[in-house]
Amino acid sequence: AQKVTQAQTEISVVEKEDVTLDCVYETRDTTYYLFWYKQPPSGELVFLIRRNSFDEQNEISGRYSWNFQKSTSSFNFTITASQVVDSAVYFCALSYYTGTASKLTFGTGTRLQVTL
Amino acid sequence: EAGVVQSPRYKIIEKKQPVAFWCNPISGHNTLYWYRQNLGQGPELLIRYENEEAVDDSQLPKDRFSAERLKGVDSTLKIQPAELGDSAVYLCASSLEDRGAYSTDTQYFGPGTRLTVL
Repeated sequence: AQKVTQAQTEISVVEKEDVTLDCVYETRDTTYYLFWYKQPPSGELVFLIRRNSFDEQNEISGRYSWNFQKSTSSFNFTITASQVVDSAVYFCALSYYTGTASKLTFGTGTRLQVTL
Repeated sequence: EAGVVQSPRYKIIEKKQPVAFWCNPISGHNTLYWYRQNLGQGPELLIRYENEEAVDDSQLPKDRFSAERLKGVDSTLKIQPAELGDSAVYLCASSLEDRGAYSTDTQYFGPGTRLTVL
């Protein structure tokens, strides 16, 4: 079964703190893709990153970084020096091939609240 | 470049009434998706189009939901009649194409339509 688990329902931090959002996935496929999306209060899902299963290099983009570890089936997301504008719900998603097409399955999301 | 456009942003209707949502994907994107997002959950796929063809509608409740994508661009999702349990956010997304097992294009989402059924 293809599944994404985001065990942290809600996280609250004070501005400038670092925060890590966990994502654990399950798949039997050897080729798959992992995504992170941000959903601010406006409702739109904003694409943050895509990573394929053959590329385990960590990635850094400004204050954002991602740690992909196939050994533990995890794709964690860290925000360094968090800001109030980072407050949103963050979704981890897994794209896998059904045999006829690729399909995206989402976790239940982690709500991040950053306060002053 | 314009993103995925959806309208209306909010809709409140009484149960048993019909409702329709409209989506305009990113220019050049052949694949279009409709998702439903219940409160506190991630989006779940309802239907996927490759150009004009609905290639995955296995999760679409066909007794009351219908969708179309005329000319392979804009799409409309309809519910008739609406039930209380249909209250959710309906998201439209698009991607360049679906290349199956060997690659997957990123899906870009619109702002969604928040439906409330009273």
